[in-house]
Amino acid sequence: DQQVKQNSPSLSVQEGRISILNCDYTNSMFDYFLWYKKYPAEGPTFLISISSIKDKNEDGRFTVFLNKSAKHLSLHIVPSQPGDSAVYFCAASAHNNNDMRFGAGTRLTVKP
Amino acid sequence: ETGVTQSPTHLIKTRGQQVTLRCSSQSGHNTVSWYQQALGQGPQFIFQYYREEENGRGNFPPRFSGLQFPNYSSELNVNALELDDSALYLCASSLAAGTNTEAFFGQGTRLTVV
Repeated sequence: DQQVKQNSPSLSVQEGRISILNCDYTNSMFDYFLWYKKYPAEGPTFLISISSIKDKNEDGRFTVFLNKSAKHLSLHIVPSQPGDSAVYFCAASAHNNNDMRFGAGTRLTVKP
Repeated sequence: ETGVTQSPTHLIKTRGQQVTLRCSSQSGHNTVSWYQQALGQGPQFIFQYYREEENGRGNFPPRFSGLQFPNYSSELNVNALELDDSALYLCASSLAAGTNTEAFFGQGTRLTVV
């Protein structure tokens, strides 16, 4: 059962423009959401998170938006840089639960 | 402060064999989770250990087992390897189980079963 879905396997954006990565979930018990970035031959690196009590969290160029009624979250990167090129995973967990559920990932390519 | 380290980085095993993968958690972290990432997919939760006890398990058969040691390092053992076990195995450590906190991943062990 895929409770976290990233429907776009890839995204290509021009340097300096905005990148928007999307994620949908089905489990209404999820209350904590995270984005991880993964470069080849490395483990996923934590990027940004958001609790279900918020609808927006910002950290520098990265902003995550949460729409609980739609069970949808998105990651905005602005301005996009070539070094942002990586696979981005959306993950979700329920409070006091032990496992994070990951989406399949979106490969972002930022072209110079 | 050291990060999460995993060993070995690559491994080739024959179907039916057993394998042990190792993970050293980040300093100060008492919780370790293991994930399997198949090609083209996101990481899938195998199990979690908190203070040397299993603290949750995903949809994996009993031939996947684990240990956590007093220093919070961990092992993942897989018996009777199958071809479908070929994947990247990721270990992640976090500050405390059952709380909303980010997990920090190691670089993974690439297991190939032939």
